[in-house]
Amino acid sequence: EAGVAQSPRYKIIEKRQSVAFWCNPISGHATLYWYQQILGQGPKLLIQFQNNGVVDDSQLPKDRFSAERLKGVDSTLKIQPAKLEDSAVYLCASSPSRAGGYTFGSGTRLTVV
Amino acid sequence: GDSVTQMEGPVTLSEEAFLTINCTYTATGYPSLFWYVQYPGEGLQLLLKATKADDKGSNKGFEATYRKETTSFHLEKGSVQVSDSAVYFCALTPDDKIIFGKGTRLHILP
Repeated sequence: EAGVAQSPRYKIIEKRQSVAFWCNPISGHATLYWYQQILGQGPKLLIQFQNNGVVDDSQLPKDRFSAERLKGVDSTLKIQPAKLEDSAVYLCASSPSRAGGYTFGSGTRLTVV
Repeated sequence: GDSVTQMEGPVTLSEEAFLTINCTYTATGYPSLFWYVQYPGEGLQLLLKATKADDKGSNKGFEATYRKETTSFHLEKGSVQVSDSAVYFCALTPDDKIIFGKGTRLHILP
């Protein structure tokens, strides 16, 4: 089966610019997660979707980050405006249910200069 | 809240050495426990998991046992290879999301 697809693979932007990342989960996976992995740290959950509804966005910096999963399939994560501390790898993961079986994408590496 | 603590790296070993990466957790319930591996330039891959106390997860020569009494899930391998060089993450799922440790970078010297 195809894995979790993410694009772009790499992105370099200047601070205060905006950026968007895209994720296409495994077909049929109802649950989708976005994680932020800062260099030298473990991934931190930003937002969790169940189909097209948000389950948990308690750690999403909502003043600058937004995410949507309009049709319950693919998802977009946006940062506007970006700050230097947003430099990280943004990982998307999906699972068939809220009971586990997670698969991670390769991630998007964002560098803010 | 629930959390994972794992030994800091980097850990540097010679090929064929014995590996232990320590992991302890704090959780209010009965989480599932995982080890993920991230090879250079690649995404996170599930290495092994255990879903209840005394379960042993194993894969590719790696093993970890869910120890409820010591709240630990240490990763072990009897003879490491250069290809095992990667970052290893201990993680738990208290409910339906994963909480990761900070990761331990492993370098294996030929």
